[in-house]
Amino acid sequence: AQSVTQLDSQVPVFEEAPVELRCNYSSSVSVYLFWYVQYPNQGLQLLLKYLSGSTLVESINGFEAEFNKSQTSFHLRKPSVHISDTAEYFCAVSDPPGGYNKLIFGAGTRLAVHP
Amino acid sequence: EAGVAQSPRYKIIEKRQSVAFWCNPISGHATLYWYQQILGQGPKLLIQFQNNGVVDDSQLPKDRFSAERLKGVDSTLKIQPAKLEDSAVYLCASSLESGYANEQYFGPGTRLTVT
Repeated sequence: AQSVTQLDSQVPVFEEAPVELRCNYSSSVSVYLFWYVQYPNQGLQLLLKYLSGSTLVESINGFEAEFNKSQTSFHLRKPSVHISDTAEYFCAVSDPPGGYNKLIFGAGTRLAVHP
Repeated sequence: EAGVAQSPRYKIIEKRQSVAFWCNPISGHATLYWYQQILGQGPKLLIQFQNNGVVDDSQLPKDRFSAERLKGVDSTLKIQPAKLEDSAVYLCASSLESGYANEQYFGPGTRLTVT
């Protein structure tokens, strides 16, 4: 079965600094990968996803993630964060790929942006 | 477009009591999911419905948890009797269909505390 590891439980960063949230998954076969964001007292929202094609995917609010098959990673990056990016971020993988859309989530990374 | 609705938002019960959660998915969404999110962990799928049929309940503790989706719309998740380890946030999500390309939309969750 698939598993997802988010290497950092908390990431503190100052406003306008760059950030990287790390995610590794267990399988070397074809996968579909997702990043979800959870703002305080809200439900999870899809941030971006990789299904196929270009290994670099972008969100509308400046985040990007790169699919690296050889390292089984899907790290999330943003070159300059804002206070409003403070949230919990979850990496997820589909299991099995192309199946019933079952998602396996990592434990989450809490991003805290300080002024 | 209205999002996924859940009620109640918070519930405190004693162990061995029963509790029920309600979910109303986005109109027209055929697939409905219930997740359990224990503090410090990512969401874990409990059960997935396609219309009013179950497609995956492999991680549902069937001795105490039950779920139904009458008429393929609203859904109810029940725990009877509750244990201390059931303390968690219960998330409901829906998607148009069950394929991997269909985004899952999450409700705000119900936070259950079992004392």
